Formats: sequence, structure tokens, C-alpha cells
Amino acid sequence: NAGVMQNPRHLVRRRGQEARLRCSPMKGHSHVYWYRQLPEEGLKFMVYLQKENIIDESGMPKERFSAEFPKEGPSILRIQQVVRGDSAAYFCASSPQTGEYEQYFGPGTRLTVT
Amino acid sequence: QQQVKQSPQSLIVQKGGISIINCAYENTAFDYFPWYQQFPGKGPALLIAIRPDVSEKKEGRFTISFNKSAKQFSLHIMDSQPGDSATYFCAASTAGGYNKLIFGAGTRLAVHP
Repeated sequence: NAGVMQNPRHLVRRRGQEARLRCSPMKGHSHVYWYRQLPEEGLKFMVYLQKENIIDESGMPKERFSAEFPKEGPSILRIQQVVRGDSAAYFCASSPQTGEYEQYFGPGTRLTVT
Repeated sequence: QQQVKQSPQSLIVQKGGISIINCAYENTAFDYFPWYQQFPGKGPALLIAIRPDVSEKKEGRFTISFNKSAKQFSLHIMDSQPGDSATYFCAASTAGGYNKLIFGAGTRLAVHP
């Protein structure tokens, strides 16, 4: 019973490049959350998606960031034209349904922008 | 109003001692309060969670105390062990809808042998 999978685990991008982060939720989970963790800080909510729908993107920067969760395949967090301030750990979590059900976190993708 | 304030930022405890981490919130709509444990290089893992209809919840060496009127909750780790050394995050959400977690800034716990 595999947990939440994220890849790559580490990603290095130069300023101006694109970063694509992938998240495969636990089997049977159809709800995905993305969080960002800056060094020495707590996790900040970015976006909540269900299959083929963005439900809440209130934590996403208005520009350069986008997310999707297609009917088939992993959820993707895309960051275009990365800047040094995008360097952080990006975690996704999945849950089976809405409500107070536990969110299961993946190991994260650590993005470094040089 | 969406913030969750966590203290202390770091904590050093001797093996066998009690570790206490505190959190406070403002949004009275919050009704689900989990604590997460994170080891370096890993994702957060749920330790224990509480709803405001109870004042205390215990699971093994971990206890959450909840004070609804003061809008505060705390994590107590009894008989702290070196293996408990990690960063602990409190969080809150409105569990009636989807579970958008608002995290505290974290407490780095070091348990010395």
C-alpha cells in the first residue's frame, strides 16, 4: 500500500526555467493539497484539487504558478520562470474525501533555484 | 485571523522529561486541531488530533490539551526520548468542509540523552 509519492525529490533549476513537480496520491484518494515550506518556516497552503477540478487556489501566487489534477495521472504543480524566492520544499498531501480525514503527506520536492 | 501561533520556536529536554509545545488561534470557526511530526528531509506525519468538544486526548506518550475559551491547545510528550527529536507543527482547519490546514511555525525539539 504505497503512500503519497512525489518526484523528483530534489530539483535544481536556473532562474527563468520551469519547474514541474509531480504528486501521486495514495490509492483511492481523490483529493490533493499542495503546501510550500520555506526554510525554518511552517507549511503554507497553496492549492486544493479534486480530480479535474481546482477547488481552492487561494494560497497560490497569482502569476507563474499553476496546478492540475487530471483524470488520469499525477497532480502537477508547475512554476514558470522560477526565481530564487521559489526555493523551498513543496509537499503534497492526499485524503480520501473532504472533512476531517487525515491528510497523508508525501516526502516533498526540494526545489533549489540557482 | 487565519494564523496559528506556536511557541516555543525551539525546545531542549532531557531524556525522560516532559516536552510541552503551545499553540493559539483566533478563528473560532476552526474545529479540527492536529499535530504533525517532521523529521529532517521527510514529510509531516500526523501524531494526534483533537476536536473542540473534548478538553484532552491521549495516545501513548502524546497528549493534546485543549482550552476552547482561551483558544489555545498544547502538545505534551511524556517520558521524552531522543527518538522524539524532530520538528513539531500544530495546525487547525474547519473540518466541516475540505481540510485546508493552517500550520504554526513549528517547534524544533531536541531530547538529550
